[in-house]
Amino acid sequence: DAKTTQPPSMDCAEGRAANLPCNHSTISGNEYVYWYRQIHSQGPQYIIHGLKNNETNEMASLIITEDRKSSTLILPHATLRDTAVYYCIARRGNQGGKLIFGQGTELSVKP
Amino acid sequence: SAVISQKPSRDICQRGTSLTIQCQVDSQVTMMFWYRQQPGQSLTLIATANQGSEATYESGFVIDKFPISRPNLTFSTLTVSNMSPEDSSIYLCSVGTGGLWGYGYTFGSGTRLTVV
Repeated sequence: DAKTTQPPSMDCAEGRAANLPCNHSTISGNEYVYWYRQIHSQGPQYIIHGLKNNETNEMASLIITEDRKSSTLILPHATLRDTAVYYCIARRGNQGGKLIFGQGTELSVKP
Repeated sequence: SAVISQKPSRDICQRGTSLTIQCQVDSQVTMMFWYRQQPGQSLTLIATANQGSEATYESGFVIDKFPISRPNLTFSTLTVSNMSPEDSSIYLCSVGTGGLWGYGYTFGSGTRLTVV
């Protein structure tokens, strides 16, 4: 699986959009980009994933650059409950089934 | 998505003893995984629990220290053996569900282990 790089921490004002970047410059053509988050004292929670196209669901939007070397997770209206560690993971959809976590970005949403 | 019940939620144990953590899923799943999360760190995969066969361990983890059972498609246990304070961590069970690998990974709420 391709290595991903994320900033260790970010702040965001409540009600504003939180834009979390992820670099995956060595991603291969069949690797998806997955985002999970872990709120303190809980297990990680799936947010969204994508291959090439931008994706949106009820939680977030995922913007993947045309060359697929980077992506951005967007929380459109961050709330205090979005304070968590966000993990960007690049992996093949059909090999091994393992999910390997990097260090993630600790997002602090402030009032 | 699958619902995972993990027990115990927390425990304080004496060094040299062993603790067995249980993971019960409300539906049959093919893939079950065990992770460790040391204080302030990210999750590290310990092993894949295989139904009907020995678990597949990641580098740095061995069966003697972390024996795993997987008697059926809904249940698994992880034992932390001969514990030392360095084993103090959160241990999490995870399952992979859905038609596309990686879509729909679900995690238990974890077992917070303190070794004294």
